Amino acid sequence: SAVISQKPSRDICQRGTSLTIQCQVDSQVTMMFWYRQQPGQSLTLIATANQGSEATYESGFVIDKFPISRPNLTFSTLTVSNMSPEDSSIYLCSVEDLGLGNTIYFGEGSWLTVV
Amino acid sequence: GDSVTQMEGPVTLSEEACLTINCTYTATGYPSLFWYVQYPGEGLQLLLKATKADDKGSNKGFEATYRKETTSFHLEKGSVQVSDSAVYFCALSAPSGGSYIPTFGRGTSLIVHP
Repeated sequence: SAVISQKPSRDICQRGTSLTIQCQVDSQVTMMFWYRQQPGQSLTLIATANQGSEATYESGFVIDKFPISRPNLTFSTLTVSNMSPEDSSIYLCSVEDLGLGNTIYFGEGSWLTVV
Repeated sequence: GDSVTQMEGPVTLSEEACLTINCTYTATGYPSLFWYVQYPGEGLQLLLKATKADDKGSNKGFEATYRKETTSFHLEKGSVQVSDSAVYFCALSAPSGGSYIPTFGRGTSLIVHP
């Protein structure tokens, strides 16, 4: 299975600022996903990030608010821009392992609180 | 599109009780099915999975069987512990445009009392 490290694990952010979350995988993967989990809710897919191409955003999410980088096959970043209290969530990085029944593995998550 | 429906929570049980969390799905083709667990203050961990019909996934005393005829993947455990208190997510992964985008249920909270 893939081992995924996310940083920061937790942060308290000021309204109007931006924060970049880093996701490092211990093996090369094609597909990386970024999810948001608001308090007490299920997972919402923000975007799919493939190396060497623009991220594909889901309905309701835009690149200006959530820019994503994917410079290589083991690393990605998600930036939450111009934060408001509504952005307080857990942000989860995940990867798809096509060799193990298309299993999705998750990082530990980045718990952001916007004040 | 694909979808996953889980029973509403919270599910509250006493220690050593039997657990069933229902999960049904809608998908084209033959998806892989998963259960993930999220303990308080933590991320999601893969609990078990099944990749084809009649497969049984199992881990930590939990089991789920891929039932194609009823499009279900119910999670079961014969005797729960307080440490099983968590949120459980049913999910499927099915091909879409050459990749596998997972679909998650809303999650079911399990509370186990001593």
